[in-house]
Amino acid sequence: DAGVIQSPRHEVTEMGQEVTLRCKPISGHNSLFWYRQTMMRGLELLIYFNNNVPIDDSGMPEDRFSAKMPNASFSTLKIQPSEPRDSAVYFCASDMRGGTEAFFGQGTRLTVV
Amino acid sequence: GQQVMQIPQYQHVQEGEDFTTYCNSSTTLSNIQWYKQRPGGHPVFLIQLVKSGEVKKQKRLTFQFGEAKKNSSLHITATQTTDVGTYFCAGRTYSGAGSYQLTFGKGTKLSVIP
Repeated sequence: DAGVIQSPRHEVTEMGQEVTLRCKPISGHNSLFWYRQTMMRGLELLIYFNNNVPIDDSGMPEDRFSAKMPNASFSTLKIQPSEPRDSAVYFCASDMRGGTEAFFGQGTRLTVV
Repeated sequence: GQQVMQIPQYQHVQEGEDFTTYCNSSTTLSNIQWYKQRPGGHPVFLIQLVKSGEVKKQKRLTFQFGEAKKNSSLHITATQTTDVGTYFCAGRTYSGAGSYQLTFGKGTKLSVIP
């Protein structure tokens, strides 16, 4: 398996633009997590899905952020409109149901100017 | 919500010295995991502890899970330059309907001076 695949690896966009981050979890994994990492706040859980259903989105900063998982092999994290303070590395991770290790993607480094 | 606190935030050690990072959860955990993130990389799983009071070793790394399943520690003996990176603990709690939330501490960034 190729592991968790995220795209793009890097994204530079202007403030106000819509940004869509993509994630393909490992086949057979039924939990998917979106994290945001910054120097100031560390690794923050934004949202996680179990069997494609959002379980906890309390970490989503505000209404500008939304996440979907239309099927077991794909998820998106969308920011609309983007702001400079959204600049961070966004990680997607997946695992088997509960109690096992989480596999992280390479991350998407987002810069909003 | 669940919070996982990790200290220290940074640690600089001379090569050959020992290193310890500590993790505390606001709630009882189902299990705790440890990850390592190299500079510019992504978190990579090291180990999982499940049982109260459990101790596991990986070469120079010793992991402990507290009796109350609310705290944990990672100890590295005789650090090497290859140990450089950020070490995260991550606590699992049951969220209902068969779902387990994974909450990370802020991590301890280890620098090793040759």
